[in-house]
This record gives sequence, C-alpha cells and structure tokens, in this order.
Amino acid sequence: QVRLQQSGPGLVKSSQTLSLTCVISGDTVSSISAAWTWIRQSPSRGLEWLGKTYYRSSWYSDYAESVKSRISINPDTSKNQFSLHLNSVTPEDTAVYYCARDSGLSFDFWGQGNLVTVSS
Amino acid sequence: SYDLTQTPSVSVSPGQTASITCSGDKLGNRYVSWYQQKPGQSPVVVVYQDDKRPSGIPERFSGSSSGNTATLTISATQEMDEADYFCQAWDTNNVLFGGGTKLTVL
Repeated sequence: QVRLQQSGPGLVKSSQTLSLTCVISGDTVSSISAAWTWIRQSPSRGLEWLGKTYYRSSWYSDYAESVKSRISINPDTSKNQFSLHLNSVTPEDTAVYYCARDSGLSFDFWGQGNLVTVSS
Repeated sequence: SYDLTQTPSVSVSPGQTASITCSGDKLGNRYVSWYQQKPGQSPVVVVYQDDKRPSGIPERFSGSSSGNTATLTISATQEMDEADYFCQAWDTNNVLFGGGTKLTVL
C-alpha cells in the first residue's frame, strides 16, 4: 500500500517561499509508471493541479501555467521523497496543499494535506 | 481554457439513486475520474477511466461518459456517501477538476 506523508510550515509570509515535502512509502519516486504531483484546494479556486515530477530515463517536471514562473517540484531519491517550492507567495496562495500519486489513470494515493496560510 | 462544470448540490433519499454530472466540451473524448471527499479528509478516487472502479470501492458506484457529459451514479445511496464529489480530466499538459458537487443524503 502506498502512503504519502506531508510536512512543512503552516504559515508563510507574503513574498516568501512556501516549501513542503512529501515522503513516499510503498513506492519509489523513481518509478517509471507514476508521477508525483502537488495539488491545492481553496474555497475560491477549488482543486487546482500545480505540477508534477517524474522519471522516464531522465527527470522531468511539468507545471500549471498559473504558477509556472514561481514553482519547482524536485525529487530526492536518497530520501524517497519530493518537494514543492512556491516563491513570491501572496494571500491568494493560502490553501490546503496535497501531494498525490498520478498513476496515469487517476490520482490514486493522496497525502493528508497541509493547510498553508500566507500572511500579508 | 477548458472547463469542467458540475451542479453545486444534489440531494437524495437513502436507498435511492444519485446522479452527479460533469460537463465539458467533447468530454467524452477524454478519460474522466471521480473523487469523493468527506469533511477534513483527502480526496479518494471512486471511478477512473470513465467507468472503472478501484479495488475497495463499493459496486454501487459507477461511471459513464458520452458526448459532453460524464456521470457518476451511486445506486442504493447510503448516509455514508454524503460528501463532495469532484470530476477530473486531463488536458494538454494540464489537469482539470470540476468545481465539485455536494451530495446530501436525507
């Protein structure tokens, strides 16, 4: 059974960088059949896919246009985890952030979610 | 941009059938997944590839898709099915979610 355990601060100041980590158990971040994603949820924006990282002989990352200039998602093979970094945050980035596994068919495993509040 | 539209709320009596729809241009040409989310919990996939059910999901959950509309059907609805339901599809280099439907069982 795949398990995703998230960690990171719950409060970030405006203009700073939001950083979260997702530790994977029961699978590997280097899996060639999965992608590792970050999704956020807020009352104003609903569920919003932010991006993913995946390994297919080389490492790749894809990002949503809405955050492309501010985001990076990076794998850490030594710790079997991946991270989200979102810079220049504003109060509009306040949301519950989830990591999830993209099996190619669905988002089949999700982390527990982290509420991140951006203070102005 | 491509959007997925869901009715904000649906009510159903216990034991009856609930239908939740998701609409988008030529949605029938894309695979759709459905997620159930209960308060304070992470989403759980209940249908993927339009009509496939993950292991552990009760048979009363089923999906279909045609034309511009995908439908999640819950037969013999139980009180435990009360939750928010979201549809999801892939677009070119992007992932789309519907706005969600709150299912009330009363």
